[in-house]
Amino acid sequence: GAVVSQHPSRVICKSGTSVKIECRSLDFQATTMFWYRQFPKQSLMLMATSNEGSKATYEQGVEKDKFLINHASLTLSTLTVTSAHPEDSSFYICSAHNHRVGTEAFFGQGTRLTVV
Amino acid sequence: ELKVEQNPLFLSMQEGKNYTIYCNYSTTSDRLYWYRQDPGKSLESLFVLLSNGAVKQEGRLMASLDTKARLSTLHITAAVHDLSATYFCAVGGWGGGSNYKLTFGKGTLLTVNP
Repeated sequence: GAVVSQHPSRVICKSGTSVKIECRSLDFQATTMFWYRQFPKQSLMLMATSNEGSKATYEQGVEKDKFLINHASLTLSTLTVTSAHPEDSSFYICSAHNHRVGTEAFFGQGTRLTVV
Repeated sequence: ELKVEQNPLFLSMQEGKNYTIYCNYSTTSDRLYWYRQDPGKSLESLFVLLSNGAVKQEGRLMASLDTKARLSTLHITAAVHDLSATYFCAVGGWGGGSNYKLTFGKGTLLTVNP
């Protein structure tokens, strides 16, 4: 399957700072990228959908000013957690799709964010 | 709104035994996915089921899809410890606008005991 690289895999930051997570599709063009959040022992919760060159579409209850998503190219999307707080600590996972060729999702390795 | 119900949520089984995980979904969909997640890791794709009656097998795992019943099953045959993980089903559908989205079940935590 296609390769999606997510970076960093782990990050610890102080409260009030911002953290950027990158999601790159290495061998295909991702027309759409999804960002998920997963709390321990829970399922994946979709946060937002980003299409290349467009503003992200956020799910209900997700603060768009707090979770900034940029999808500037067909191979890169970024999620920035702004003014992070301990309750933002979670596992964040991206997935990349190209709907022109199919609907299979390719997932990044995930990012464990810990806010102290 | 698409709902995906997965059961059981917790499954503890002995090596060598068989068991089935069920995934029900509420509205018509054209894709059903099964994923495996190990602790601290991301999702690993196991199966993509595309049509009614589809059956796919890989090793000790077999997945099937009944679109009329809106039901998919993941059958485990002669379980081994290496299969211990959390298994998610996900249903694909076109959400609002033109985005294809996956809706996940809550996951089944499978523990295979020696």
